Amino acid sequence: DGGITQSPKYLFRKEGQNVTLSCEQNLNHDAMYWYRQDPGQGLRLIYYSQIVNDFQKGDIAEGYSVSREKKESFPLTVTSAQKNPTAFYLCASSMGRRRNNEQFFGPGTRLTVL
Amino acid sequence: GEDVEQSLFLSVREGDSSVINCTYTDSSSTYLYWYKQEPGAGLQLLTYIFSNMDMKQDQRLTVLLNKKDKHLSLRIADTQTGDSAIYFCAESLPNAGNNRKLIWGLGTSLAVNP
Repeated sequence: DGGITQSPKYLFRKEGQNVTLSCEQNLNHDAMYWYRQDPGQGLRLIYYSQIVNDFQKGDIAEGYSVSREKKESFPLTVTSAQKNPTAFYLCASSMGRRRNNEQFFGPGTRLTVL
Repeated sequence: GEDVEQSLFLSVREGDSSVINCTYTDSSSTYLYWYKQEPGAGLQLLTYIFSNMDMKQDQRLTVLLNKKDKHLSLRIADTQTGDSAIYFCAESLPNAGNNRKLIWGLGTSLAVNP
């Protein structure tokens, strides 16, 4: 049963702590993405990776870091440098360098920083 | 410039048709997408249309594309309460390194009243 999984679904952290959000896919997709969603602001791209061991900053990368050591996994770390980390985080994947870049999404992780 | 605009809210009665509209500014888009997001969940790809097409129909969904006016619409026939969700329009544009990126609208919240 192919798909994208994100864990955990809900995450609570104290201010000043780093936290890592998990994203795994078994779709054999080359590209993976992290988005942040805030109410009324749609989706904003944090980081993306087109291939293993390579990733690029999106529109709001400050305060975040990623790694892509395996094709299946693209974890996102929210660091203490992120000023307003409370949000809904969505991971997505796609086939990659194709004209039809349809993205498939995981169920999301809601991060609340107390 | 790169911009995708949608109206924020739409309310319809159960059984009526819903029409969700989207406008985009970049004429180099190749594929345009409609995604659905239910509360607290990830995004689900509903349908997409290639930019050289005018219309695409898939069961209760009809996508119309007016490339001259850069206008995309999603019509949902016989709208049901289960169609209540946020609907996102997105366009696929060229990005650096022969890659592509998605530009997202802010989403239209559809409320279906019994």
